[in-house]
Amino acid sequence: DIQMTQSPSSLSASVGDRVTITCQASQDISNYLNWYQQKPGKAPKLLIYDASNLETGVPSRFSGSGSGTDFTFTISSLQPEDIATYYCQQYDNLPLSFGPGTKVDIK
Amino acid sequence: QLQLQESGSGLVKPSQTLSLTCAVSGGSISSGGYSWSWIRQPPGKGLEWIGYIYHSGSTYYNPSLKSRVTISVDRSKNQFSLKLSSVTAADTAVYYCARGPGGYGQGWFDPWGQGTLVTVSS
Repeated sequence: DIQMTQSPSSLSASVGDRVTITCQASQDISNYLNWYQQKPGKAPKLLIYDASNLETGVPSRFSGSGSGTDFTFTISSLQPEDIATYYCQQYDNLPLSFGPGTKVDIK
Repeated sequence: QLQLQESGSGLVKPSQTLSLTCAVSGGSISSGGYSWSWIRQPPGKGLEWIGYIYHSGSTYYNPSLKSRVTISVDRSKNQFSLKLSSVTAADTAVYYCARGPGGYGQGWFDPWGQGTLVTVSS
């Protein structure tokens, strides 16, 4: 099974800050990596697919990059509505698996 | 717009079977290329993929749960279901249904249902 790790597990930043989350896979997963946003009490929402493709309707301040085992998710200018937990998910191999999540809040 | 809605028992006794259904609206569950998944999230914890079913009926279950999981599809009702047997307190979680992964390299889950909390307790 492919293990996914994320860092940091939580972060606190100011409105307007650039926020970066990393996700690492236990083996090469090419670009088969997606990012989700989960707000409290809500279902996860797809933001980025195939490592760097922005889902339709998602603000352009969100972006993703990386391939192989190391990936990065960035919010270019943190907004109050971005308070959430962010998860990466690989689909290179079954079983599909998620990272443990990164909780983002406002300082 | 495709929408998914979970339903089922919110309280299950230990050793019994958890049963949930996901109703799909705004599109056909039989449309080609997509599978339909169950994902769960224990309170305050991360996401665990349980497994998927294709419209053809073929399934894949996470090995961590494989011995206890059955996912089925009812095309006439445009819904799919989850059964998890021999439940314990560790199975207490919010259970989500979602479309995906797709069969053409579309390995993501979108959209998701709103989720339903299942508590295992006597």
